[in-house]
Amino acid sequence: QTVVTQEPSLTVSPGGTVTLTCASSTGAVTSGYYPNWFQQKPGQAPRALIYSTSNKHSWTPARFSGSLLGGKAALTLSGVQPEDEAEYYCLLYYGGAQLNWVFGGGTKLTVL
Amino acid sequence: EVQLVQSGAEVKKPGESLKISCKGSGYSFTSYWIGWVRQMPGKGLEWMGIIYPGDSDTRYSPSFQGQVTISADKSISTAYLQWSSLKASDTAMYYCAREAGDSSSWYVDYWGQGTLVTVSS
Repeated sequence: QTVVTQEPSLTVSPGGTVTLTCASSTGAVTSGYYPNWFQQKPGQAPRALIYSTSNKHSWTPARFSGSLLGGKAALTLSGVQPEDEAEYYCLLYYGGAQLNWVFGGGTKLTVL
Repeated sequence: EVQLVQSGAEVKKPGESLKISCKGSGYSFTSYWIGWVRQMPGKGLEWMGIIYPGDSDTRYSPSFQGQVTISADKSISTAYLQWSSLKASDTAMYYCAREAGDSSSWYVDYWGQGTLVTVSS
């Protein structure tokens, strides 16, 4: 059973910078896992932010960036805004015959 | 404008069957995969499976194989998620999402608004 692990919770001050990470139980996360990142606010559907490690969608604010860091996928928020308080999920691609994707458990980001 | 519009909330009894839908518009429905994602109350996202409406190629997460059926009708740009016998543990919000990719990039971009399924006796 593949497990994708994220920090359960993080707190950041407005205007600050925070990095969320996404680790795989199978080993180092590489670009071949095509890491995707999503933001979900209470009562809303998830919203896509980053795909294939570091690519932004047309609607993704510039303060969000994706990378690989120390064998993990990472999402960095620079100049955090109060509206960035949300749950963040990563999604990794494990391929195979089932084109299998696995979500991380999510990180609850508090802006305080 | 790309949109995925899901069918409305459902309340069912254990043992009943159910089929929920996800209608795509604003893009070529047959050129993108549609994935289904479960979110149980107060919990995280779980990827269930995916279908390519162009040829109905369907893949399932091992956790959901045999538990649900994913299908699509490309003539009406609609994907489906169905159960033959619901359990209380199927109570959750279900989302559809558009996916695409190739050997260099894979992405999930647009999401439906979600369908809440409640299974209770």
